[in-house]
Amino acid sequence: TQLLEQSPQFLSIQEGENLTVYCNSSSVFSSLQWYRQEPGEGPVLLVTVVTGGEVKKLKRLTFQFGDARKDSSLHITAAQPGDTGLYLCAGAISGSARQLTFGSGTQLTVLP
Amino acid sequence: DTGVSQDPRHKITKRGQNVTFRCDPISEHNRLYWYRQTLGQGPEFLTYFQNEAQLEKSRLLSDRFSAERPKGSFSTLEIQRTEQGDSAMYLCASSPNPVGIYEQYFGPGTRLTVT
Repeated sequence: TQLLEQSPQFLSIQEGENLTVYCNSSSVFSSLQWYRQEPGEGPVLLVTVVTGGEVKKLKRLTFQFGDARKDSSLHITAAQPGDTGLYLCAGAISGSARQLTFGSGTQLTVLP
Repeated sequence: DTGVSQDPRHKITKRGQNVTFRCDPISEHNRLYWYRQTLGQGPEFLTYFQNEAQLEKSRLLSDRFSAERPKGSFSTLEIQRTEQGDSAMYLCASSPNPVGIYEQYFGPGTRLTVT
């Protein structure tokens, strides 16, 4: 059973399009991170959200943490081929261990 | 470069052999984690150290797996009597110790192939 569900699993879009990736759970998280991973490499941290309702922007990427801290979204505006990669959400469950629980990822391909 | 480093990056071994991987965390990060990632999946937690103490182990960590962090700095992960099902990317991450925020910084991983 996947504690964190990501959707869509695969996404292929044209350069310049916008997209949103979702990360959902029935559990409450004390914090949630988004990572991007390239083939053969480790995940690279993009952002951490902590407060319910929080919105963070990183250039063309906008991250939102749900009010109840059970879900999150990543929105990319005007996607570029350099955005191609595996996007992973990961959360630390409130009151639980310090391990991160990862979603299965969204593989994004941005075509030129 | 002061990021997390892992060695080796790739390891091919025959079934039944033992392998050992090393992880050097970011300096002064007292938390260190090992994860395993198979194709098409997100990383799965294996074990966690705070300084030299191994505080948590996943049920995924069978008796053939052992991890150490003897001086609270680098860590090793050993797999004994490897099986084909052990083929995966083994990721190490480190984290500082702020209360309530569990950001982890990952190394490049060690890709293990068991033939």
